[in-house]
Amino acid sequence: GDSVTQMEGPVTLSEEAFLTINCTYTATGYPSLFWYVQYPGEGLQLLLKATKADDKGSNKGFEATYRKETTSFHLEKGSVQVSDSAVYFCALSDQGSSYKLIFGSGTRLLVRP
Amino acid sequence: DADVTQTPRNRITKTGKRIMLECSQTKGHDRMYWYRQDPGLGLRLIYYSFDVKDINKGEISDGYSVSRQAQAKFSLSLESAIPNQTALYFCATSPGLATDTQYFGPGTRLTVL
Repeated sequence: GDSVTQMEGPVTLSEEAFLTINCTYTATGYPSLFWYVQYPGEGLQLLLKATKADDKGSNKGFEATYRKETTSFHLEKGSVQVSDSAVYFCALSDQGSSYKLIFGSGTRLLVRP
Repeated sequence: DADVTQTPRNRITKTGKRIMLECSQTKGHDRMYWYRQDPGLGLRLIYYSFDVKDINKGEISDGYSVSRQAQAKFSLSLESAIPNQTALYFCATSPGLATDTQYFGPGTRLTVL
């Protein structure tokens, strides 16, 4: 079945450092890919998404490119801030999963001043 | 006002008790979902509903039941709570396409003693 694998955390960075959180997926068809973010004490909210190969999703300085050849959707940000501290979830939605969201296990990011 | 609300936000109960978690939405979406979040496991789907008359089991439905009272309301019940159902529970909604964002409520923290 469909699945999402993302790097384990926590990831600890200093402010203004470069961020990469790796995400790879397995899907039977051509999934849509998502990054959701969960700030402390809150529900998940969409950070960015990409719906077809080579699409780049971007929001709030974060970017991720849909790479079909490597089945990856890595999240990047050039300069993180303390306010980016949160848990980040990679997810897919696919016909093979009846269009339900399949989540990775989440990666906690801690940014120190 | 929040678009997706959940009640209660926190609940402590005892083994064997019946518990109902409620979700309401004002987004006008047809699709609603219940997820469970456990540390290190990401979010797992319990039940989902594509409309009032269409309810489906997710990957971890055992021990849970749901009711879709109206387009805007989707309730999750634990008929006889057990300690390993201690978790954070999220309700979500979406318009209905694979490319669509899911919108999450703030979550209910349930503790079963």
